[in-house]
Amino acid sequence: DGGITQSPKYLFRKEGQNVTLSCEQNLNHDAMYWYRQDPGQGLRLIYYSQIVNDFQKGDIAEGYSVSREKKESFPLTVTSAQKNPTAFYLCAGGDADYGYTFGSGTRLTVV
Amino acid sequence: GDSVTQMEGPVTLSEEAFLTINCTYTATGYPSLFWYVQYPGEGLQLLLKATKADDKGSNKGFEATYRKETTSFHLEKGSVQVSDSAVYFCALGTSNTGKLIFGQGTTLQVKP
Repeated sequence: DGGITQSPKYLFRKEGQNVTLSCEQNLNHDAMYWYRQDPGQGLRLIYYSQIVNDFQKGDIAEGYSVSREKKESFPLTVTSAQKNPTAFYLCAGGDADYGYTFGSGTRLTVV
Repeated sequence: GDSVTQMEGPVTLSEEAFLTINCTYTATGYPSLFWYVQYPGEGLQLLLKATKADDKGSNKGFEATYRKETTSFHLEKGSVQVSDSAVYFCALGTSNTGKLIFGQGTTLQVKP
């Protein structure tokens, strides 16, 4: 089945450590997105990419980095500069005409 | 900039009651509008969408009409079920920016 696959489902990070969240798609979408969701909150845009080898900062990009070397993949790295990384991270692909498909999310916890 | 405003939750209804969740938007272009649903611990699922003014999106008994004159996209269902309990997000996307912008979400709880 086509879709957006995120891994791992749960991730634990120690203080000062960088971690990378995986997002893969087989829907052939040009555009992909990363969102952060905090408990009881809406979704805030971290980064998005409209084409391979190009990406833009969203509303809360500080402490995060991304790459888009392949159309199918859009990994997100949570760096040690992100002071409050505990959250639910959602990856999506799509556009305004087609609609946007979301992955099942990665729950990141600082230990 | 573009934005979406949803009614505050939580919304608590009895089974078979009528549901309305209000959503209004601000956009400089001609956005597409979406409703997503999120069940506990899961990602977002597309519930319905409308890509131009006066379009009506519908799915699983839910409906919403794209009203350009009132910049609204209210979600309605005639008879809710316990299984409809979830968080509902209104969102807009525009081709020029490529971004999908969300409202804050509205929690719906349906009691038997």
